[in-house]
Amino acid sequence: DAKTTQPNSMESNEEEPVHLPCNHSTISGTDYIHWYRQLPSQGPEYVIHGLTSNVNNRMASLAIAEDRKSSTLILHRATLRDAAVYYCILRRIVYNQGGKLIFGQGTELSVKP
Amino acid sequence: GAGVSQSPRYKVAKRGQDVALRCDPISGHVSLFWYQQALGQGPEFLTYFQNEAQLDKSGLPSDRFFAERPEGSVSTLKIQRTQQEDSAVYLCASSFRSGGNSGELFFGEGSRLTVL
Repeated sequence: DAKTTQPNSMESNEEEPVHLPCNHSTISGTDYIHWYRQLPSQGPEYVIHGLTSNVNNRMASLAIAEDRKSSTLILHRATLRDAAVYYCILRRIVYNQGGKLIFGQGTELSVKP
Repeated sequence: GAGVSQSPRYKVAKRGQDVALRCDPISGHVSLFWYQQALGQGPEFLTYFQNEAQLDKSGLPSDRFFAERPEGSVSTLKIQRTQQEDSAVYLCASSFRSGGNSGELFFGEGSRLTVL
């Protein structure tokens, strides 16, 4: 499985934008870039995903480099509720494997008031 | 309920006991996944079901771990002769599609197992 590299931790101030980087230099053409986050004492939660083009949804934006070897999750205005571990995952759909997610260590984001 | 439901939320077992953890996925979801999350680590894949068929059990750490989903809905993860290293949060996730790339996974809150 292709690997992702993320910083262990990041800090942000409340109401400021946050850019969470992810490197995935061994990505293959069929890998989708997924982001999940895990709040304390909860299961992971889907944030956003993309293949080649930048993506926006109500939670965040995903900026994907042209060569797809890196991506950045953007939270436009961090709130205290955004404090969580953010996982960048390459999801490969393999027949009869359902597109299982392989989690790394993630980035622990703390948000200061 | 609207989400993935797991029970029990907390389980304490003595070493050597058998435990069973239950997962109620979102109604109509085809795919079901089990993960194990040790303290301070990311979740690790255990096994995958498509309806009642267990198509991938490559992540099960030993033959003490067994999962089933006999009617394609509720799933049970059973751990026999528990060991201290089995202490972890066990997460269940479901998704509507069986393989589509946009099949977002919905996770339950997990069952925290502590083996004494």
